[in-house]
Amino acid sequence: DGGITQSPKYLFRKEGQNVTLSCEQNLNHDAMYWYRQDPGQGLRLIYYSQIVNDFQKGDIAEGYSVSREKKESFPLTVTSAQKNPTAFYLCAIGSSYNEQFFGPGTRLTVL
Amino acid sequence: DAKTTQPTSMDCAEGRAANLPCNHSTISGNEYVYWYRQIHSQGPQYIIHGLKNNETNEMASLIITEDRKSSTLILPHATLRDTAVYYCIVRVGGNQFYFGTGTSLTVIP
Repeated sequence: DGGITQSPKYLFRKEGQNVTLSCEQNLNHDAMYWYRQDPGQGLRLIYYSQIVNDFQKGDIAEGYSVSREKKESFPLTVTSAQKNPTAFYLCAIGSSYNEQFFGPGTRLTVL
Repeated sequence: DAKTTQPTSMDCAEGRAANLPCNHSTISGNEYVYWYRQIHSQGPQYIIHGLKNNETNEMASLIITEDRKSSTLILPHATLRDTAVYYCIVRVGGNQFYFGTGTSLTVIP
């Protein structure tokens, strides 16, 4: 937090619907990251972007898509292809060689 | 394959030092050790990081063994607000921070 905003805090979606999670930062960092966390588990990397108009898959990219049209924004779309999307989603910023700073997270529940 | 090994849970009395161990026996020479903590339903919070030397900041101290195969995070005077899951992370190259399941620290009044 402190310059990283994620919205909404809670999100509900019906099965089969795509949904987009927002991540915005005003700290002028180049690198942005999306993680997924399941109950009692650590964080798993979905996608990351080091620069505008470029992004890379993490360990669990299937069923997700991202875009990086602006330095400040890195939205994550959870598509209907993601079979188990209910989770806590965290956005982070940082550089490769320094610490990462996390947003407050979005809790997604599929009904 | 696990990059770090931490105990699943620990308790600590309020006001006492909390010592959280981490094993990272496969660490390579240029990899840093990072510590984060996560309070329930919040984003992880950066605590401290180090390479070889011991480090201290306003939150904690980090002690890294000379062979760099293990480290200990020390919270000098634990408070109830320090109850959280603590993650020890070794960067394994590229841009990825691998978060394991961490240590759940409970500070007891």
